[in-house]
Amino acid sequence: GAVVSQHPSRVICKSGTSVKIECRSLDFQATTMFWYRQFPKQSLMLMATSNEGSKATYEQGVEKDKFLINHASLTLSTLTVTSAHPEDSSFYICSAIRDRSPYNSPLHFGNGTRLTVT
Amino acid sequence: KQEVTQIPAALSVPEGENLVLNCSFTDSAIYNLQWFRQDPGKGLTSLLLIQSSQREQTSGRLNASLDKSSGRSTLYIAASQPGDSATYLCAVSFGNEKLTFGTGTRLTIIP
Repeated sequence: GAVVSQHPSRVICKSGTSVKIECRSLDFQATTMFWYRQFPKQSLMLMATSNEGSKATYEQGVEKDKFLINHASLTLSTLTVTSAHPEDSSFYICSAIRDRSPYNSPLHFGNGTRLTVT
Repeated sequence: KQEVTQIPAALSVPEGENLVLNCSFTDSAIYNLQWFRQDPGKGLTSLLLIQSSQREQTSGRLNASLDKSSGRSTLYIAASQPGDSATYLCAVSFGNEKLTFGTGTRLTIIP
């Protein structure tokens, strides 16, 4: 149980285009999802916290107009990288909390999306 | 600043040996600590979650300990296997739902 599906796993796009990444909790409801970014050989950096039915909370330094997050249902959050540039190339990973006690629950992660902007 | 550090960055061990991975954190006021495994190009798999009130958690060949006073956690892997090769990440919840990740230890088990 507690499966998080992330799609696509890999995407290549041209500079200036937008890319949407989906994160779905397959067998549980996730009121909160997180979006992370990971550069090669570095750790995960939290970009934003996505709450169902409300605006996402972005971490300092993350442009909310560039990284649009929508959490329209209890099982789906999307991250749209708008007007992508080569420096946006990275590995993006989502995660979800299974129940309403985030402090006591392990995070479940998707398999990540490798974005390459040419 | 709340930070999580993992040393060494890489470790190679012959198959069958027991090993310990280290994680240290700067603030003892934590809610919980998690150990994850990440295979190349993949997402994270949760291995063990230790609550702040706990000292250790065990799952199969894995044992994680937590010492809040010293700001340290260890992940012990018994009887290592080539399939254990991966990057192991330690992550700490410093009093909210966000996790602060360490930079990981890349483990290679030599057959």
